[in-house]
Amino acid sequence: GAGVSQSPSNKVTEKGKDVELRCDPISGHTALYWYRQSLGQGLEFLIYFQGNSAPDKSGLPSDRFSAERTGGSVSTLTIQRTQQEDSAVYLCASSRETGENTEAFFGQGTRLTVV
Amino acid sequence: TQLLEQSPQFLSIQEGENLTVYCNSSSVFSSLQWYRQEPGEGPVLLVTVVTGGEVKKLKRLTFQFGDARKDSSLHITAAQPGDTGLYLCAVNSGGSNYKLTFGKGTLLTVNP
Repeated sequence: GAGVSQSPSNKVTEKGKDVELRCDPISGHTALYWYRQSLGQGLEFLIYFQGNSAPDKSGLPSDRFSAERTGGSVSTLTIQRTQQEDSAVYLCASSRETGENTEAFFGQGTRLTVV
Repeated sequence: TQLLEQSPQFLSIQEGENLTVYCNSSSVFSSLQWYRQEPGEGPVLLVTVVTGGEVKKLKRLTFQFGDARKDSSLHITAAQPGDTGLYLCAVNSGGSNYKLTFGKGTLLTVNP
């Protein structure tokens, strides 16, 4: 596709269940980012992948959160034992390269609701 | 403490009015980006400003980077309903050239 694709667009899950969120970046983009957007908090950086380098996981809020990027393309963000405070919109972005003025292209996000 | 303070938090105006929103910080940045996010969508980059005092125009939108590179403003002339959205400023932070820190945004509603 032409843009960053995320699935599912909406996810409702029960507290304590695990969820997987998927991101298909723009073809040819080597950098991939996950952000979380929650009410009152704005967008928060979660994790960054660049090529074959070790990911920057410094934004992951707890060890219940993990992410993988397979083959330098598709990424999956996994949240284990979900809690109500995990409810948010999870946004994925990709860019052609890394640099201070590089444009990041965002997907539409996955709205996660933990009940 | 937020790295980037955006004001106002909410703004509701009538079509045709002018408005200015602000992004302020006590830190100095080498560049700053503005994004617009429409409901149900991800943020879309509008502009990157890199030079102190720089003014960039994008149709009816005028972006300014403060002389000291600590703040920025976005001015919209003759606002239209299509300008409705969340306006976010963002900077690279944490010593990285990829990790963006966003302000909380200004939610603009332009009523027809």
